Amino acid sequence: AQTVTQSQPEMSVQEAETVTLSCTYDTSESDYYLFWYKQPPSRQMILVIRQEAYKQQNATENRFSVNFQKAAKSFSLKISDSQLGDAAMYFCAYRSCGNKLVFGAGTILRVKS
Amino acid sequence: DAGVTQSPTHLIKTRGQHVTLRCSPISGHKSVSWYQQVLGQGPQFIFQYYEKEERGRGNFPDRFSARQFPNYSSELNVNALLLGDSALYLCASSHNTDTQYFGPGTRLTVL
Repeated sequence: AQTVTQSQPEMSVQEAETVTLSCTYDTSESDYYLFWYKQPPSRQMILVIRQEAYKQQNATENRFSVNFQKAAKSFSLKISDSQLGDAAMYFCAYRSCGNKLVFGAGTILRVKS
Repeated sequence: DAGVTQSPTHLIKTRGQHVTLRCSPISGHKSVSWYQQVLGQGPQFIFQYYEKEERGRGNFPDRFSARQFPNYSSELNVNALLLGDSALYLCASSHNTDTQYFGPGTRLTVL
């Protein structure tokens, strides 16, 4: 079974600085997708970024980018120029061709002004 | 376009009762998935439906059931509620098997 591990229960970053959230996963599949979702206090789960495993190029969405290391089964999220609105719980998720999402335990991100 | 909608927003039930949660997907999306999120944890997969057929089931007891209607909306039913069923229930929709977009969730409290 696939598993997703987020080893940082909580992270802090100063406003305007950069922070990296870590995620590792375990799978025997070669074709899959990885996601980062953000869950603010409202608890609405919001898609941040997505990466297809067959693509070598790291995905980027504005201030958000990933470092995808397929051989190491690592998928970290970098947030640049952090803003107060980035404060939330961040979940790393894995999806195989079976389509269900497997989530990590989450990392709470605090942004200091 | 409207996002995924869920109803009700909050629900309070007592042990042994039955509950029905509802979800309307994004227009054009034919797949709906249900997740349970206990406070402080990541969401856990319950069911997935595509074109009104069950495509996946997570490790949940038979007290949990779901269905998808011709308009692609979906219901999640939970019978004989237990205290441990208290959680946020999330619905997600996707086009075919693409990226899943989540609704705001239904917060269920079982007393």
